[in-house]
Amino acid sequence: DTAVSQTPKYLVTQMGNDKSIKCEQNLGHDTMYWYKQDSKKFLKIMFSYNNKELIINETVPNRFSPKSPDKAHLNLHINSLELGDSAVYFCASSPLAGGYGYTFGSGTRLTVV
Amino acid sequence: SQELEQSPQSLIVQEGKNLTINCTSSKTLYGLYWYKQKYGEGLIFLMMLQKGGEEKSHEKITAKLDEKKQQSSLHITASQPSHAGIYLCGATYPPGNTGKLIFGQGTTLQVKP
Repeated sequence: DTAVSQTPKYLVTQMGNDKSIKCEQNLGHDTMYWYKQDSKKFLKIMFSYNNKELIINETVPNRFSPKSPDKAHLNLHINSLELGDSAVYFCASSPLAGGYGYTFGSGTRLTVV
Repeated sequence: SQELEQSPQSLIVQEGKNLTINCTSSKTLYGLYWYKQKYGEGLIFLMMLQKGGEEKSHEKITAKLDEKKQQSSLHITASQPSHAGIYLCGATYPPGNTGKLIFGQGTTLQVKP
């Protein structure tokens, strides 16, 4: 069983569209995260949720909206997609906020054309 | 400038050679993590260091954290093609309870057979 699973793995879409990426973890972790990896492989945190509560919200355009229906799921919805949104998006989870044991999903490669 | 700097940015070594990757923080960190990423895949957790002067080993990979908790090194002994990939160091900072993991820019390692 995959510990942190993201869907879809690949997403190609046109500028201006709205899309969602889903993430689920079966580790029983309390905290989940979204990271963005740019073309230079630099990973940057976007959001963090602890038990469905938003605890980290980095400087991200408000076209990006995370939603956590329960502590095992953290979805990322992106409105009005732009070319610059093309990147690999990683979901991760950890037992506690700030605790060790971050587990990452395999990533969603988003390409905006 | 970044909080966490990795060097070198890329490395090509002959199989069987030893190598070291460095990770330097601009301030004292709370925890230091090493991950490996293969193309198109997620991040694989290697090691976590939290105490100044700590050293951990797993198979042929050794990671150390200096006493001041501002610098870490990852050493691979007798490299093999399976060691190829991108190595990322990540750090949490005091108070350490936000879950915010900041990454360096990564080191791309190629191992020539």
